[in-house]
Amino acid sequence: NAGVTQTPKFQVLKTGQSMTLQCAQDMNHEYMSWYRQDPGMGLRLIHYSVGAGITDQGEVPNGYNVSRSTTEDFPLRLLSAAPSQTSVYFCASSLWTGKGEAFFGQGTRLTVV
Amino acid sequence: DQQVKQNSPSLSVQEGRISILNCDYTNSMFDYFLWYKKYPAEGPTFLISISSIKDKNEDGRFTVFLNKSAKHLSLHIVPSQPGDSAVYFCAATYNDMRFGAGTRLTVKP
Repeated sequence: NAGVTQTPKFQVLKTGQSMTLQCAQDMNHEYMSWYRQDPGMGLRLIHYSVGAGITDQGEVPNGYNVSRSTTEDFPLRLLSAAPSQTSVYFCASSLWTGKGEAFFGQGTRLTVV
Repeated sequence: DQQVKQNSPSLSVQEGRISILNCDYTNSMFDYFLWYKKYPAEGPTFLISISSIKDKNEDGRFTVFLNKSAKHLSLHIVPSQPGDSAVYFCAATYNDMRFGAGTRLTVKP
């Protein structure tokens, strides 16, 4: 019973580098989302998807891209990392659009130097 | 502009007493509210929820109250236990799920 799996758990990037944070869920959930957690700011929504082929922006989408080619996977791409993107990133999934219990991954701690 | 606000960054209570965590929201479109608990180095886990058509929901030691006119909800934990020590996030949903900044609860033995 894997639930929501995020990889990697830790990553250090240099400014300007690109990378993809992976997220996969095995619960057949339609709704998936990405959050970043920063001290004093709580969890802020980056992007979300209500199903394969459909994505939308959240509160803080700038600097991040997403795609949803399958129900299971929802990768988050940083095209040109900046120190302001240093954060802990969480992927979540839930059965219905924005409703009901969301299941979270363990998080990815990203440092941009 | 955060639409969900938790104005108390921390709360400390004695074991056995009641813990009350508060949350305010600004968007009247929110129609479902949740509380999550988070331990260090783990993802948040769901605790309890309430629909906007209700004003109270109980689950064991946890009760959530919703006051729609005041756009305010609260989480009551009775009795509080040391294992309840964690960060608690309030969340509200409409088309997506928005979170507050969290409240760190410490329950002292």
